[in-house]
Amino acid sequence: AAGVIQSPRHLIKEKRETATLKCYPIPRHDTVYWYQQGPGQDPQFLISFYEKMQSDKGSIPDRFSAQQFSDYHSELNMSSLELGDSALYFCASSQKTGGPYEQYFGPGTRLTVT
Amino acid sequence: AQSVSQHNHHVILSEAASLELGCNYSYGGTVNLFWYVQYPGQHLQLLLKYFSGDPLVKGIKGFEAEFIKSKFSFNLRKPSVQWSDTAEYFCAVNSGYSTLTFGKGTMLLVSP
Repeated sequence: AAGVIQSPRHLIKEKRETATLKCYPIPRHDTVYWYQQGPGQDPQFLISFYEKMQSDKGSIPDRFSAQQFSDYHSELNMSSLELGDSALYFCASSQKTGGPYEQYFGPGTRLTVT
Repeated sequence: AQSVSQHNHHVILSEAASLELGCNYSYGGTVNLFWYVQYPGQHLQLLLKYFSGDPLVKGIKGFEAEFIKSKFSFNLRKPSVQWSDTAEYFCAVNSGYSTLTFGKGTMLLVSP
């Protein structure tokens, strides 16, 4: 079965640079979620989209922005990167309309800021 | 606001031992409950979920969990662990279609 796809899988950036992470949800899933998992931490919710509109917002820094496109893929844009942004960034998708409501996670993008 | 508490941060077991990982949540309404597993260097995988109905749910790889509403608990169990169960286990909760709130995770190490 198709899974959530994230790209790139690994990304190394320097401080103050920008990064763009991409997420391709499972086909027919209409909701995308972004989570950040720091080293040894639990995943923290950043932001979510339903039908291309932002539906919920968590602890996402102002330096980050995200959007969901017409084909339902989503991009997380991160600017003025800081060392503390080094983390695993997960995307998850679900189907809010009619279910299944559980979130399926992608493999994550490991971002290292040097 | 929802919160999830996992009782143990680290658990060490020998193969064939029984496992029980505690999870308590705080939320006044109807909740959906999940256990996710994260093998070293890998992404989160859904072990099992509870939405409604039978409070004893069975998941993949021989895991099961019991929802006890009066105790706000959703403990994960496995009668006999294997070395390959070494991983981090996260309990998570949401309500309706909302985002997931995760516990801090329990690192399970199974020694052969």
